[in-house]
Amino acid sequence: EVQLLESGGVLVQPGGSLRLSCAASGFSFSSYAMSWVRQAPGKGLEWVSGISGSGGSTYYADSVKGRFTISRDSSDNTLYLQMTSLRAEDTAVYYCAKDRERAVVSPKSFQHWGQGTVVTVSS
Amino acid sequence: DIVMTQSPDSLAVSLGERATINCKSSQSVLYSSYNQNYLAWYQQKPGQPPKLLIYWASTRESGVPDRFSGGGSGTDFTLTISSLQAEDVAVYYCQQYYSTPLTFGGGTKVEIK
Repeated sequence: EVQLLESGGVLVQPGGSLRLSCAASGFSFSSYAMSWVRQAPGKGLEWVSGISGSGGSTYYADSVKGRFTISRDSSDNTLYLQMTSLRAEDTAVYYCAKDRERAVVSPKSFQHWGQGTVVTVSS
Repeated sequence: DIVMTQSPDSLAVSLGERATINCKSSQSVLYSSYNQNYLAWYQQKPGQPPKLLIYWASTRESGVPDRFSGGGSGTDFTLTISSLQAEDVAVYYCQQYYSTPLTFGGGTKVEIK
């Protein structure tokens, strides 16, 4: 059974930094692209960033480019999102999502999702 | 970036009746080399993460009831619930994966009339 467990969400001040983690199990982690998708309170879904199975290719939304960095560690099957220069508009539930298709480079559709971790940016 | 526009924003349908949600992309998401539309549909219930319903615009994910169907091509797509059940009350999102940044529609809330 595929499991994705996010952690690291907290209350942080504007301008601060944070690292989110997503522990993955139940599948061949390095074979699948992974993404972070966020949802602001009462709003829709926004794709934030994606990474290929090998970690060699990364992709970002314009809203986070230059501030967030996605990475993965296949030795412990964990996906990360390093977030810097945080703004109030980054406040959201952050979901880790696994691609449906094996061995694709760029992220596509999301077959499995974690339960999310809450990031609140406020003074 | 490809902009995804859903309509309507909300929809109230009687139990057993048909619900249709529309999704329009600002440019074609049909990859002609593979003749595939890079379009997915998700269902999100309150307090839960989204659930993948449809991919490649019309392929139902395993375990999804056959009352859910996806159609369309190029820039215009639909998600149809042929006979609405109480458990289908949710917000539905379309998403294009033709190019990054991946983008979602704004969502359509489906309720019981």
